[in-house]
Amino acid sequence: SSDLAQDPFVSVALGQTAKITCRGDSLRIYFPSWYQQKSGQAPILVYGKNNRPSGIPDRFSGSTSETTASLTVTGAQAEDEAVYFCSSRDSSGLHLLFGGGTKLTVL
Amino acid sequence: QLRLQESGPGLVKPSETLSLTCTVSGDSINSGSYYWGWIRQAPGKGLEWIGSVYYSGTTFYNPSLKSRVSISLDTSKNQFSLRLNSVSAAGTGTYYCARHGTVACDYWGQGTLVNVSS
Repeated sequence: SSDLAQDPFVSVALGQTAKITCRGDSLRIYFPSWYQQKSGQAPILVYGKNNRPSGIPDRFSGSTSETTASLTVTGAQAEDEAVYFCSSRDSSGLHLLFGGGTKLTVL
Repeated sequence: QLRLQESGPGLVKPSETLSLTCTVSGDSINSGSYYWGWIRQAPGKGLEWIGSVYYSGTTFYNPSLKSRVSISLDTSKNQFSLRLNSVSAAGTGTYYCARHGTVACDYWGQGTLVNVSS
């Protein structure tokens, strides 16, 4: 399959750890990227190619195992509540793919 | 600091052509090995990659849109543009331009809302 699959909803208690997953065959080949999108705003890159962009808190981390990528938020804060999208290339390497998004709720 | 800004009509009639431009400031669009892409988002929905143009001018398109889309670079103006033919109501949404490497889109425009309606 050339798709990226995400669970639509994840919830986490304030200060606890949230794990958001992304599944797709192309993740065996290409690093995923993760984006955070808050309501009414453009997405921002929070994790890509095994590192965090400047300014992204170190509570965000990423990992990949076989066909599953994960974005972990360690010590989730209220401001982390957002929709998170994963992205990668498809198996041909020619096209970008986005997952359907995961709405993270911080309780 | 790199900045991207989308511009274009906010209203397009069904069956007509949607045309948007992304103006890049802070660096030259052909200064490095980057792709310049368009991504759209229907209201309340996820992100859909439309296509990208490599700094060399080579283009890559979403297979589902390939027959209707064209992306081009204008290095003299430090801009890149999107043309999407034969739009329908399904084309309504926010259109973003972005810079990316192999995968990661590290800079995004703020997005421009396009409504396809008669």
